[in-house]
Amino acid sequence: DTAVSQTPKYLVTQMGNDKSIKCEQNLGHDTMYWYKQDSKKFLKIMFSYNNKELIINETVPNRFSPKSPDKAHLNLHINSLELGDSAVYFCASSQGSGTSGSLDEQFFGPGTRLTVL
Amino acid sequence: AQKVTQAQTEISVVEKEDVTLDCVYETRDTTYYLFWYKQPPSGELVFLIRRNSFDEQNEISGRYSWNFQKSTSSFNFTITASQVVDSAVYFCALTREEWTSDKLIFGTGTRLQVFP
Repeated sequence: DTAVSQTPKYLVTQMGNDKSIKCEQNLGHDTMYWYKQDSKKFLKIMFSYNNKELIINETVPNRFSPKSPDKAHLNLHINSLELGDSAVYFCASSQGSGTSGSLDEQFFGPGTRLTVL
Repeated sequence: AQKVTQAQTEISVVEKEDVTLDCVYETRDTTYYLFWYKQPPSGELVFLIRRNSFDEQNEISGRYSWNFQKSTSSFNFTITASQVVDSAVYFCALTREEWTSDKLIFGTGTRLQVFP
């Protein structure tokens, strides 16, 4: 049973298109995240949602918009895709919300490899 | 500012060798957490260990061991008797307790290649 799932696993698209990546977790966790891993393997957090509310929003272009319809889903929509958006995007979830003593491990999805041509 | 440095970009060893992956961190917080994750060629991220700043006891789990030293701000990871299946990119990460969510700062990763 997959804990954190992402679809699609691979996404190839043209510059200028709009695309979405979906993430679902069946762990009952309160917090979900999106990370971007670039070609040099560097991982950086993009967004974090706790109980459907945006908690962390790093310096990410406005073209990226996360949407959380419920606490088990955190989708990532990207408008006007650019070449530099090519990367692997990881979704993750954790039980904790950052209060003392509740920093739990994050469970990561398998990643979505986005290639913008 | 928080920062994680993994100076070793790539390490190659032959099976059965011991290997240590270095991780040096920077933080002004007194309470923080350190993590190691493994990313095998299949791409997923696998949690290995979490350590809080008040627990400097070294940890051993099978062939894996971790050496946390606050005096040198290091949290090094050693694989004993390495195996080909250990080939992966390993990430060290840091988070501070005060963040309202578990924001992880990752190092750039160390690619470990274990040859038969």
